[in-house]
Amino acid sequence: NAGVMQNPRHLVRRRGQEARLRCSPMKGHSHVYWYRQLPEEGLKFMVYLQKENIIDESGMPKERFSAEFPKEGPSILRIQQVVRGDSAAYFCASSPTTGEDGYTFGSGTRLTVV
Amino acid sequence: DAKTTQPPSMDCAEGRAANLPCNHSTISGNEYVYWYRQIHSQGPQYIIHGLKNNETNEMASLIITEDRKSSTLILPHATLRDTAVYYCIVRPYGSSNTGKLIFGQGTTLQVKP
Repeated sequence: NAGVMQNPRHLVRRRGQEARLRCSPMKGHSHVYWYRQLPEEGLKFMVYLQKENIIDESGMPKERFSAEFPKEGPSILRIQQVVRGDSAAYFCASSPTTGEDGYTFGSGTRLTVV
Repeated sequence: DAKTTQPPSMDCAEGRAANLPCNHSTISGNEYVYWYRQIHSQGPQYIIHGLKNNETNEMASLIITEDRKSSTLILPHATLRDTAVYYCIVRPYGSSNTGKLIFGQGTTLQVKP
């Protein structure tokens, strides 16, 4: 039973390009969460999704960032027109319910904006 | 803001028990205490959680004081691979749970040979 799969592991984008980060939750998990960790900082919640629904996006920047979790396929975190300040590690987690028994995190995507 | 307070760093000798404290004096009745760790920029790893009773699993033990205002995570026989940042988090259980974890700065545990 594979864990939470994130790809790519490393992503380099030039300023102004788009970044698409993918997250495949564990089998049987229908709840997905995205977190961001800026260099030398703690983990910050971004968004919580269930299949086809955004439940809580209180941590998402108001512009350029969007997330989806379609009926079929992985969850996608999309960052348009990236800037240097978007450089960070982005972690996805999944759970079968709302995470009362803990989340399983992926290994993350390291985004570098040059 | 995180609702927990942890010491920024601790050392532990390999093979000895590591006791990591956490203060959560404003915890509410429907909030559980969770512990996660992050090993060198990997994804966080769930360790254990509890409400008011002490809990034990294959990784660790969690001791919660009777007034629930503080807790201690115990790694009974620390190894070098337990070197990590340990996060203590409180979050509601049940219908008021939004699924969000609020990470503080955590405690950096250094296990030394």
